[in-house]
Amino acid sequence: AQTVTQSQPEMSVQEAETVTLSCTYDTSESDYYLFWYKQPPSRQMILVIRQEAYKQQNATENRFSVNFQKAAKSFSLKISDSQLGDAAMYFCAYLMNRDDKIIFGKGTRLHILP
Amino acid sequence: EAQVTQNPRYLITVTGKKLTVTCSQNMNHEYMSWYRQDPGLGLRQIYYSMNVEVTDKGDVPEGYKVSRKEKRNFPLILESPSPNQTSLYFCASSSARGRVYGYTFGSGTRLTVV
Repeated sequence: AQTVTQSQPEMSVQEAETVTLSCTYDTSESDYYLFWYKQPPSRQMILVIRQEAYKQQNATENRFSVNFQKAAKSFSLKISDSQLGDAAMYFCAYLMNRDDKIIFGKGTRLHILP
Repeated sequence: EAQVTQNPRYLITVTGKKLTVTCSQNMNHEYMSWYRQDPGLGLRQIYYSMNVEVTDKGDVPEGYKVSRKEKRNFPLILESPSPNQTSLYFCASSSARGRVYGYTFGSGTRLTVV
């Protein structure tokens, strides 16, 4: 069965610094997608970034980028120039292309220190 | 505005009193799903639906029912709620092709069963 592991339940980073959130997953599939979702205190789930497994190039969205290591089954999220509004719970998620269910990790709560 | 609408946002109820949490989307999405979010457990899928009149169990379906009589609506029914169903619930949707771009989530329903 596919699993998604986020090994850091909580992290803190100084404002304007860079932080990396870890995510590993277990799968025997080769065709899948990976996502990072952000859940701020408003509890709305917001898609931050996504990565297709067949693409070697790491996805970037403004200050957010990923380090996708397919062989290692690792999908970390890097947040550059951290801002107070980045404080949230972050969930890593996996979707097999031939399936319909996104599997979520348990989340990492990120604190931004002013 | 394209959105998934959940109601109510907050609900406190007593053990055994049947309740329904509504979910509606205005994007003509085929796929809809219910998740519950609990501290330290991330999001776990309860039920999902690929289209009208097609529903299937997720990882934690016990104690819940769903129906999909119309494409836009996917209510979650708790016939006899128990305190262990106290949780934060999310409805999500995507198009059949668009699921690889991530789900659109509702704003969540905080349910407390006393």
